[in-house]
Amino acid sequence: EVQLLESGGGLVHPGGSLRVSCAASGFTFGDYSMSWFRQAPGKGLEWVSLIDTTGYNDYYSDSVKGRFTISRDNSKNILYVQMNSLRAEDTAVYYCVKGGSSWYYFDYWGQGTLVTVSS
Amino acid sequence: QSALTQPASVSGSPGQSITISCTGTSSDVGSYNLVSWYQQHPGKAPKLLIFEVTKRPSGVSHRFSGSKSGNAASLTISGLQAEDEANYYCCSHGGKTTPWVFGGGTKLTV
Repeated sequence: EVQLLESGGGLVHPGGSLRVSCAASGFTFGDYSMSWFRQAPGKGLEWVSLIDTTGYNDYYSDSVKGRFTISRDNSKNILYVQMNSLRAEDTAVYYCVKGGSSWYYFDYWGQGTLVTVSS
Repeated sequence: QSALTQPASVSGSPGQSITISCTGTSSDVGSYNLVSWYQQHPGKAPKLLIFEVTKRPSGVSHRFSGSKSGNAASLTISGLQAEDEANYYCCSHGGKTTPWVFGGGTKLTV
């Protein structure tokens, strides 16, 4: 059974930093792209970032480019996102998401972790 | 404002069929057969229902089906059941500059 367990969310001040992690199990982690999505309170889904299987290629939405860094440790089956220069508009539930057999759909989602940016 | 346009809400009675539309442009929905649909119950994680316009993952009910015509995609749910009441999101590949674009979501009331 595929499991994705996020951790590391919490309250952070504007301008601060936070690292969120995702422990993956139930599949061969290194064989799939992984992504972070987010959902602001009462809002829709937003793709944030994707990393390929090797970890050498990463992609970001314009809203987080230059501030967030996605990474993965295939030896530990863990996905990370380092979030810097956080803003109030980054407040959201952050989901760790497994890519499907192609890059263009996402077949398993974690339960999410809430990141709140507030003074 | 979301890149893809979905109706804010739809409703139907148990046993009926409903269709949720997802309208994009020639740069996203119209250019790629890479539309996916996700179901999200309140407070829960999204679940993949449809990928590559028409394909259903194993375990997803045959009551869910997808289609596309031009710049618009659709999700049809037949034989509505109470547990289908949820929010539904469409997603499409949008090219190199916007790899994944989402609709704003549609709340289905059964």
